[in-house]
Amino acid sequence: DADVTQTPRNRITKTGKRIMLECSQTKGHDRMYWYRQDPGLGLRLIYYSFDVKDINKGEISDGYSVSRQAQAKFSLSLESAIPNQTALYFCATSGSGEAQETQYFGPGTRLLVL
Amino acid sequence: QKEVEQNSGPLSVPEGAIASLNCTYSDRGSQSFFWYRQYSGKSPELIMSIYSNGDKEDGRFTAQLNKASQYVSLLIRDSQPSDSATYLCAVDSGSARQLTFGSGTQLTVLP
Repeated sequence: DADVTQTPRNRITKTGKRIMLECSQTKGHDRMYWYRQDPGLGLRLIYYSFDVKDINKGEISDGYSVSRQAQAKFSLSLESAIPNQTALYFCATSGSGEAQETQYFGPGTRLLVL
Repeated sequence: QKEVEQNSGPLSVPEGAIASLNCTYSDRGSQSFFWYRQYSGKSPELIMSIYSNGDKEDGRFTAQLNKASQYVSLLIRDSQPSDSATYLCAVDSGSARQLTFGSGTQLTVLP
């Protein structure tokens, strides 16, 4: 079984709809991250969480919210989806050493907002 | 705005050649550096991590770090068609709280 899972893997929605992307991990990591990837722009950080009570905005948090329901679960919500949120979304996890540790990525969710 | 810049691609090399991928970063406080490989439509997977100046070798891959020049590179020796992918450079923020990714270099290894 995969260590980092994301659901759904693909989603088509309409402008103005609220949607939630879910991420679960079995790696036992404290740190979890949400990124979006657009062609030619690499990965951009949306939100990150170092534990259930520590949630932080990343580079592009506007229009998104998150919930850390448990150590193993980190959800990303689009309150009112818009077409420019069409992208590939990745969840990642890492350990919590002093130095930044390797991030492990889920398989991604491909989102299309019409 | 902390920046991570990668040499613009796409990069094509013949099979068996050395592929050289380069990355510069702006935050002098950065301590951790990563190279990820991403196949089309797939998630990034770690190739190499490097934390100290110098070279680090793992099989056909060598990462090179020069903190004074704020430069990190990845060399792929004996390139194979299966190495064809986008390579992402990632650098920590210096406070070890997040990574900044470059936009990636697309590598094609021609048979």
